[in-house]
Amino acid sequence: GAGVSQSPSNKVTEKGKDVELRCDPISGHTALYWYRQSLGQGLEFLIYFQGNSAPDKSGLPSDRFSAERTGGSVSTLTIQRTQQEDSAVYLCASSSARLPDTQYFGPGTRLTVL
Amino acid sequence: GESVGLHLPTLSVQEGDNSIINCAYSNSASDYFIWYKQESGKGPQFIIDIRSNMDKRQGQRVTVLLNKTVKHLSLQIAATQPGDSAVYFCAENEAGNQFYFGTGTSLTVIP
Repeated sequence: GAGVSQSPSNKVTEKGKDVELRCDPISGHTALYWYRQSLGQGLEFLIYFQGNSAPDKSGLPSDRFSAERTGGSVSTLTIQRTQQEDSAVYLCASSSARLPDTQYFGPGTRLTVL
Repeated sequence: GESVGLHLPTLSVQEGDNSIINCAYSNSASDYFIWYKQESGKGPQFIIDIRSNMDKRQGQRVTVLLNKTVKHLSLQIAATQPGDSAVYFCAENEAGNQFYFGTGTSLTVIP
């Protein structure tokens, strides 16, 4: 079946603009994660959605970052008033209730803020 | 906070040789560990996992060893192939909390 998909694959924006990144998890997966991967760095946790529970937003670096998950499926990560330090690859992952610890990652969105 | 680090940032091996990639973790309460492979331009791909009640787990051409005494994790790849060239990183997790990821080791397989 289809894996996790993300769009766009690349996004170049100007400082101060807002961006939206989309994640389509594997069908039926109840958990969805957003991570950020900066050049030469490990994955940085941003936010976690699990079913209908309130999301774990503890990793969001500032109030310019927000995410929502509509209908328990597709998720959108929004970055407002982008800054150059927001440039990174943003990765989405999903996992099932049966194997909650095994996360399947999407290909990522490479964000470049000029 | 927790830290998960890799001993070597780069590793080059001859095709056919075995590869060993190491990872140190700092949270002694972590009870679940995963190794991921990330090829250029792609998202991380799950390779193998191990829980803290095990010392060793084998997959296809890969073995993960866990030494809880020294908080060390290793990934062994047998008969390394060019397709194994990628960045490998480990992740640790404590009781369902968020994962912490290492920065990765870049493996290059020399034909």
